[in-house]
Amino acid sequence: DTGVSQDPRHKITKRGQNVTFRCDPISEHNRLYWYRQTLGQGPEFLTYFQNEAQLEKSRLLSDRFSAERPKGSFSTLEIQRTEQGDSAMYLCASSPGTGGYTFGSGTRLTVV
Amino acid sequence: AQSVTQPDIHITVSEGASLELRCNYSYGATPYLFWYVQSPGQGLQLLLKYFSGDTLVQGIKGFEAEFKRSQSSFNLRKPSVHWSDAAEYFCAVGASNAGNMLTFGGGTRLMVKP
Repeated sequence: DTGVSQDPRHKITKRGQNVTFRCDPISEHNRLYWYRQTLGQGPEFLTYFQNEAQLEKSRLLSDRFSAERPKGSFSTLEIQRTEQGDSAMYLCASSPGTGGYTFGSGTRLTVV
Repeated sequence: AQSVTQPDIHITVSEGASLELRCNYSYGATPYLFWYVQSPGQGLQLLLKYFSGDTLVQGIKGFEAEFKRSQSSFNLRKPSVHWSDAAEYFCAVGASNAGNMLTFGGGTRLMVKP
C-alpha cells in the first residue's frame, strides 16, 4: 500500500491552456474522488467514480472540466481553457467503499 | 443538504495545554462524521471517524471526538497539545459510510505557543 499518488505536485500554466492531472489510488479501492480546495477553505467535492463509472458530479464541475477513470484504476482530471479562478489545490482520494477516504498530497495549480 | 460549521477560524494554545476544536453539522439522517488534519501544502490525513456505536471516538495522535446528537456537534479534543499538532483541522460529514460525497467545514487553524 503506497497510498494515493498525484502527479504533478505543482503546475503553473498560462490562462487559456489545458492541463491534465493524474491520480493513482490505493489499488484495492474501488471508489475515487476529486476535490478542489482554494486557499483558506475546506475541500469541495467535484466528482467521484466507482470503478470506471462516474457516478456523481458537482455543479462546480463546469463544461471545461472532465474526469475519466478508464480502467477503474488511475484517474485523470482535465481542465480546458484554464482561467485564473481555477487556481487551487486539486485533491484526489480513494476509498474501499466503507470508512473514511485516503487523500493524496494534491496538485497545486497556478494559472497566470 | 448537509453542511458543516467550524466556528473558530484560528485557535492558539500553549504547548501542553488541552485543546477542543468545535464542529457543528446539519444533516437530515444519521451522519457519518470525520476529522482530518492538513499540514501546509499537504493532503489531508484522517484523524478519526464516527459511524455508529460509542459516541466517544478515539483517533490517532492522541485525539478523540465526541458525537452529541442533541447538539449536532462532533468536537475534537486532545488533553495535551504538542508543537507538532500545529496544522489546519477539518471536520466533515458524509452521506453514508459507503463513502459518498463529504462536505467539509471551513477549517480551524491551530497554532501552538512554546
